[in-house]
Amino acid sequence: QKEVEQNSGPLSVPEGAIASLNCTYSDRVSQSFFWYRQYSGKSPELIMSIYSNGDKEDGRFTAQLNKASQYVSLLIRDSQPSDSATYLCAVNMGNNAGNMLTFGGGTRLMVKP
Amino acid sequence: NAGVMQNPRHLVRRRGQEARLRCSPMKGHSHVYWYRQLPEEGLKFMVYLQKENIIDESGMPKERFSAEFPKEGPSILRIQQVVRGDSAAYFCASSPRQGSGGELFFGEGSRLTVL
Repeated sequence: QKEVEQNSGPLSVPEGAIASLNCTYSDRVSQSFFWYRQYSGKSPELIMSIYSNGDKEDGRFTAQLNKASQYVSLLIRDSQPSDSATYLCAVNMGNNAGNMLTFGGGTRLMVKP
Repeated sequence: NAGVMQNPRHLVRRRGQEARLRCSPMKGHSHVYWYRQLPEEGLKFMVYLQKENIIDESGMPKERFSAEFPKEGPSILRIQQVVRGDSAAYFCASSPRQGSGGELFFGEGSRLTVL
């Protein structure tokens, strides 16, 4: 069983719509959760972090965490073509040292004008 | 404040040669992580280092791969006797300290092509 799972997509949404990206993880003791955005040929860029159950909003982005269901999601409101990228879910598993993150395979988002 | 610096950005090697990838963490960061990304795949953890110490190398292949982070100078990921399967993007990330919130800051990556 993969430790962090994401639907590879592509997820296609029209401009202005809400994009919903989902991620599940296997380790119940995980404490920290992150969403990274990666444009093609570029490095991952941190866009959201979430540590406790519930919602966390930052501009057009909302991260949602449900530890009981081992589920974390990212909502992008008013999607723009510039949001087209691969979104990587990352989890700090509780049984490792430091800030080592385990990444999902990424979901490719396409926002169509 | 410079970000994570990696070089070379692109490296071409023939099978059997050696590849050396370098990473300088962000100023004030003492923890370095190396990840590998194959085409169309996610990031796979390789190794976690602090100055002069390897903390976790559970993601490193047992042979041909090694990493170091000396007291002075950048961290180096070394791949000996490269094979075509080593072609990938190698990303370095850094963080200021353990338990700092978990964020990793990534460099632009080194893209290795093995002919």
